[in-house]
Amino acid sequence: IVMTQSPATLSVSPGERVTLSCRASQSVSSTLAWYQQIPGQAPRLLIYGASTRATGVPARFSGSGSGTEFTLTISSLQSEDFAVYYCQQYNNWPPITFGQGTRLESK
Amino acid sequence: QVQLVESGGGVVQPGRSLRLSCAASGFTFSDFGMHWVRQAPGKGLEWVAVIWHDGIIKYYGDSVKGRFTISRDNSKKMLHLQMNSLRAEDTAVYYCVRGGVRGVIQFFDYWGQGTLVTVSS
Repeated sequence: IVMTQSPATLSVSPGERVTLSCRASQSVSSTLAWYQQIPGQAPRLLIYGASTRATGVPARFSGSGSGTEFTLTISSLQSEDFAVYYCQQYNNWPPITFGQGTRLESK
Repeated sequence: QVQLVESGGGVVQPGRSLRLSCAASGFTFSDFGMHWVRQAPGKGLEWVAVIWHDGIIKYYGDSVKGRFTISRDNSKKMLHLQMNSLRAEDTAVYYCVRGGVRGVIQFFDYWGQGTLVTVSS
């Protein structure tokens, strides 16, 4: 299954509402996760099951969607949220596949 | 707390071998499937391999199938990745990642800090 994220890069300012998209080449039901990767660090799980926040993830992060279309929303961007975000499907495997990532950069 | 600490990375010539290890702590290692995920410099994440909690079932990504072998020692809480016939395109940070309980394939909730493998002459 090919995961396609858009846009590749998003220029945003703190306080903005941010929406990231992820599309699967075929249905993955709700077996979709989102990860945040800050440069120089390992990825961190944000969302699993398409919409469940992982432990310790701030409420400003939310996930939605099912089937082939998914969205990660950051309600009010904080400075520490500038990072690369990846979606991942774990429905049809092997292989487990990731999107190519969306980078949030400062406007 | 859950900790995954990789080791064994370094610079290796094309065609040679390298063995990565991951020391796990803070959870019942023998209950969880374990994965390796890699990231080439400046690139995205690529799933490499998974091993079931009991070490019996293993799956590999197409790019490493036949060259890499994943294994585990539950008595020592260790995960390994034997990498043979290395190529320049195997250059990446390799992450040890915890998977689901027993036979469940799911999201990745804990990641190690990664170990860098550079394949170059």
